[in-house]
Amino acid sequence: AQTVTQSQPEMSVQEAETVTLSCTYDTSESDYYLFWYKQPPSRQMILVIRQEAYKQQNATENRFSVNFQKAAKSFSLKISDSQLGDAAMYFCAWGIQGAQKLVFGQGTRLTINP
Amino acid sequence: NAGVTQTPKFQVLKTGQSMTLQCAQDMNHEYMSWYRQDPGMGLRLIHYSVGAGITDQGEVPNGYNVSRSTTEDFPLRLLSAAPSQTSVYFCASSYNGRSPLHFGNGTRLTVT
Repeated sequence: AQTVTQSQPEMSVQEAETVTLSCTYDTSESDYYLFWYKQPPSRQMILVIRQEAYKQQNATENRFSVNFQKAAKSFSLKISDSQLGDAAMYFCAWGIQGAQKLVFGQGTRLTINP
Repeated sequence: NAGVTQTPKFQVLKTGQSMTLQCAQDMNHEYMSWYRQDPGMGLRLIHYSVGAGITDQGEVPNGYNVSRSTTEDFPLRLLSAAPSQTSVYFCASSYNGRSPLHFGNGTRLTVT
């Protein structure tokens, strides 16, 4: 069975600094998607960034970027110039093409210190 | 354009009661799914549907039923509520298998 592991239950960073959240996964599939979702206190699940496994180039969305290491099965999220609004739970998720059955990690709670 | 709408937002049930969590989307998405979120465990897939009339089980289906009679609606039924079903439930939809999920705002369910 596929598993997703986020080894950092909590992280904190000073405002304007950079923070990296870790995620590892285990799968025998070769074609899949990886996601980072943000969940603020409002409980809403917000897509931050998506990576397709067949693409070697790391995905980037404004201040958010990933380091995708397929051989190592690692998918970390880097947040640059952290802002107070970035404070939230962050979930890493893995999904198979055509199935939309996501497997989520346990989450990392990110605190931004002013 | 409302996106994915879940009702109710909060619900308290007694053990043994039944109820239906409603989910509707107005984006003409083929894929819909239900997840539950428990503290320290992330989200886990309960049931999913790849189109009207087609449903399948996810990781934790026991105690839940679903049906998909229309593209827009995907209700989740609790047949006989148990305290272990206390959780936050999320409905999600996507256009196809390559598209990211759009989530509803969740239903917090407490079973006493």
